[in-house]
Amino acid sequence: NAGVTQTPKFQVLKTGQSMTLQCAQDMNHEYMSWYRQDPGMGLRLIHYSVGAGITDQGEVPNGYNVSRSTTEDFPLRLLSAAPSQTSVYFCASSYYSGGYNEQFFGPGTRLTVL
Amino acid sequence: SQKIEQNSEALNIQEGKTATLTCNYTNYSPAYLQWYRQDPGRGPVFLLLIRENEKEKRKERLKVTFDTTLKQSLFHITASQPADSATYLCALDGSSNTGKLIFGQGTTLQVKP
Repeated sequence: NAGVTQTPKFQVLKTGQSMTLQCAQDMNHEYMSWYRQDPGMGLRLIHYSVGAGITDQGEVPNGYNVSRSTTEDFPLRLLSAAPSQTSVYFCASSYYSGGYNEQFFGPGTRLTVL
Repeated sequence: SQKIEQNSEALNIQEGKTATLTCNYTNYSPAYLQWYRQDPGRGPVFLLLIRENEKEKRKERLKVTFDTTLKQSLFHITASQPADSATYLCALDGSSNTGKLIFGQGTTLQVKP
């Protein structure tokens, strides 16, 4: 099993550009989420999904879109990049067994917006 | 407002000693709390989960306590080793049965030989 994979590992964008961060998992987990991590701020939830076709907003959703057409994939779209979106982005997945359990994280995407 | 706080200052201890990290929360009634380890440049890795009806959980050299009255969890690493040096994050379920986690900002542990 590859676990949770994220591409790209690094990305530099100019202000106003759009892009999609890819996330895939091969563990058949129902739950997937996107976080951003900034120095001193910990991980903040952007969007999450409890299954294919179902998504919801987290703590910091503005400027980001998600969709979940399959169990495996959960891409994060930046509509018009801003310098405030410079961060490290982590995707995670989790299974449900009488309650949600441990989250499995991907290696992260380091994004810089100039 | 809901808040999770971990010691933002790094914790420096000598090899062989017990490290104790604190996670405090306000305005939550979590069903469970989780602890993760994060190494530089990597994603967090799950360590332990403790449920609201459990006072203590152990896994090898790790021990977690959960006091819902004090709204606090303590994370202990006994007989610490330099390889335990990392950032440790606590996380609570943000709302019932959604899998949505709210993370603390993490505490960096440095174990010196």
